[in-house]
Amino acid sequence: NAGVMQNPRHLVRRRGQEARLRCSPMKGHSHVYWYRQLPEEGLKFMVYLQKENIIDESGMPKERFSAEFPKEGPSILRIQQVVRGDSAAYFCASSPRGAPPDTQYFGPGTRLTVL
Amino acid sequence: AQSVSQHNHHVILSEAASLELGCNYSYGGTVNLFWYVQYPGQHLQLLLKYFSGDPLVKGIKGFEAEFIKSKFSFNLRKPSVQWSDTAEYFCAVNGEGKLIFGQGTTLQVKP
Repeated sequence: NAGVMQNPRHLVRRRGQEARLRCSPMKGHSHVYWYRQLPEEGLKFMVYLQKENIIDESGMPKERFSAEFPKEGPSILRIQQVVRGDSAAYFCASSPRGAPPDTQYFGPGTRLTVL
Repeated sequence: AQSVSQHNHHVILSEAASLELGCNYSYGGTVNLFWYVQYPGQHLQLLLKYFSGDPLVKGIKGFEAEFIKSKFSFNLRKPSVQWSDTAEYFCAVNGEGKLIFGQGTTLQVKP
């Protein structure tokens, strides 16, 4: 049973470019969460999605960041016009139910470097 | 506001020493608590979790944690650490779907 898949594992972008990060949840999981880990910091929640629905985006920066989880295909975290401060590890997690008690399983992360 | 605090940011131990990592949380609702571990270069893996019932929870690799409601704590313990336990450890509480993480504790075990 494959775990949470994320790609790419490493992404390098120049300032002003767009970054697209993909996450495929575990089989049978319909809830996806995105977290960001800045250097020397813990993980911070960004957004929680179900298929075709954003449940909680309270952790998303107001500008340049968006997320989707379409009916078919992976969840996408999109960062437009990247800046150096966006350099971080972005982790995706999935869970089967979404409502507590529930366990989130994490992917390997995408390490974004903005030059 | 919901928050999780891990008091030890960096811990260095010798092999066979006992480990206790502190975790305190602030959350008004029903708590679901987790410890995750991140080995160097790897992703987060679940060590153990508490949902309800016995407050002493046993996880993988000999780890355990005790939920003490009166102290709002969920400390992680291991009686005898190994070099392979070198990793970063994160405490988290499930707050309305999203996980709220502590800052993490880096554990370095010297052989």
